[in-house]
Amino acid sequence: EIVLTQSPDFQSATPKEKVTITCRASQSIGRSLHWYQRKPDQSPKLLIKFASQSFSGVPSRFSGSGSGTDFTLTINSLEAEDAATYFCHQTSSLPQTFGGGTTVEIK
Amino acid sequence: QLQLQESGPGLVKPSQTLSLTCAVSGDSMSNGDYYWSWIRRPAGKGLEWIGRIYNSGTTTYNPSLKSRVTISVDTSNSQFSLNLSSVTVADTAMYYCARGVDLAIDSWGQGTLVTVSS
Repeated sequence: EIVLTQSPDFQSATPKEKVTITCRASQSIGRSLHWYQRKPDQSPKLLIKFASQSFSGVPSRFSGSGSGTDFTLTINSLEAEDAATYFCHQTSSLPQTFGGGTTVEIK
Repeated sequence: QLQLQESGPGLVKPSQTLSLTCAVSGDSMSNGDYYWSWIRRPAGKGLEWIGRIYNSGTTTYNPSLKSRVTISVDTSNSQFSLNLSSVTVADTAMYYCARGVDLAIDSWGQGTLVTVSS
């Protein structure tokens, strides 16, 4: 199965700062990579699908890029409400797999 | 807005069958583009995809669980279900139901904790 490795595991940043999270796949997955946000006591929310397509209603400060094995989620101008865990998910091959998550803390 | 709500026993004995149901509300299940998934997170570990089912009844399971998993769908009652047989303590986890569209998962339930213990 495809292993997704996220980095960093934890990131602390100040409001308005730019945050970058990476997800590396153990083999090429094209652009079949999706990003989610999970806050405590809430269900995960889809942010980005197929590497760079913003999901409906997601603030424009969230963007995604990459293809093949290397992907990036960028949060431009971090806001307090962005404190959460972010994780990636591949649907290129079965079984679907998930990254371990990156926790973003607001300083 | 779509809502997914998991339900089922929170405690299951080893060797028994874990059975969960996901109630779907706020949107019709009949769109053939959707698929319905089960995902779990064991304590201290990452998310594990269990499997999915389309409205047609077509299923795909994680090979690591395939011999023990059955996912079914009941669109007339707006729900889908998970059965996991011969459970062990390793199956203790938070279980999520979810909807997929265009392969990505666009909606998740809140999750339900299932503990396997005698």
